[in-house]
Amino acid sequence: GAVVSQHPSRVICKSGTSVKIECRSLDFQATTMFWYRQFPKQSLMLMATSNEGSKATYEQGVEKDKFLINHASLTLSTLTVTSAHPEDSSFYICSARDLEYRYNEQFFGPGTRLTVL
Amino acid sequence: SQQGEEDPQALSIQEGENATMNCSYKTSINNLQWYRQNSGRGLVHLILIRSNEREKHSGRLRVTLDTSKKSSSLLITASRAADTASYFCATGETSGSRLTFGEGTQLTVNP
Repeated sequence: GAVVSQHPSRVICKSGTSVKIECRSLDFQATTMFWYRQFPKQSLMLMATSNEGSKATYEQGVEKDKFLINHASLTLSTLTVTSAHPEDSSFYICSARDLEYRYNEQFFGPGTRLTVL
Repeated sequence: SQQGEEDPQALSIQEGENATMNCSYKTSINNLQWYRQNSGRGLVHLILIRSNEREKHSGRLRVTLDTSKKSSSLLITASRAADTASYFCATGETSGSRLTFGEGTQLTVNP
């Protein structure tokens, strides 16, 4: 149980285009999902906290108009990188928290590798 | 900003040896968690220790927590080549809050 999927696993796009990444909790309901960014050989940096049915909470320094987050259901959150630039190239990882149990534990998706040319 | 600092940054050992990784943090916490990440993959939860606990075991893993020193350690006993990965500690300041990750330790277990 507690499986989180991400799609796509890898995406290459041209500078200026927008890219949407999906995060799904497959076998549990998640009112809260988290989006992280990880640069090579670095740790995870929290970008935003996504709550079902409400606006996401962004961390300091993360542009909400550039990284659009939608959490429309208890099993799906999406991150859209708008007008992507090469410096947005990174590994994006989502996590979800189970409502029912193990409340402090986050379950992570496999990540999405974004490369902006 | 990152709360946790981990040391060592990199650790290379032989199969069968024990591996110890340390994590320090700055603020009060409700819980501390350890995760493993294989190269280019997502994170796998290993173990959670609450602020009122001092030690916890799970299989070959042993975690200690010293809240007076704001530090934790992860011990992997009888290491295997498959344990090669990056290990991160993460702290939760309150129950159910967001996690703040440390810098991570890259563990290499040589066969």
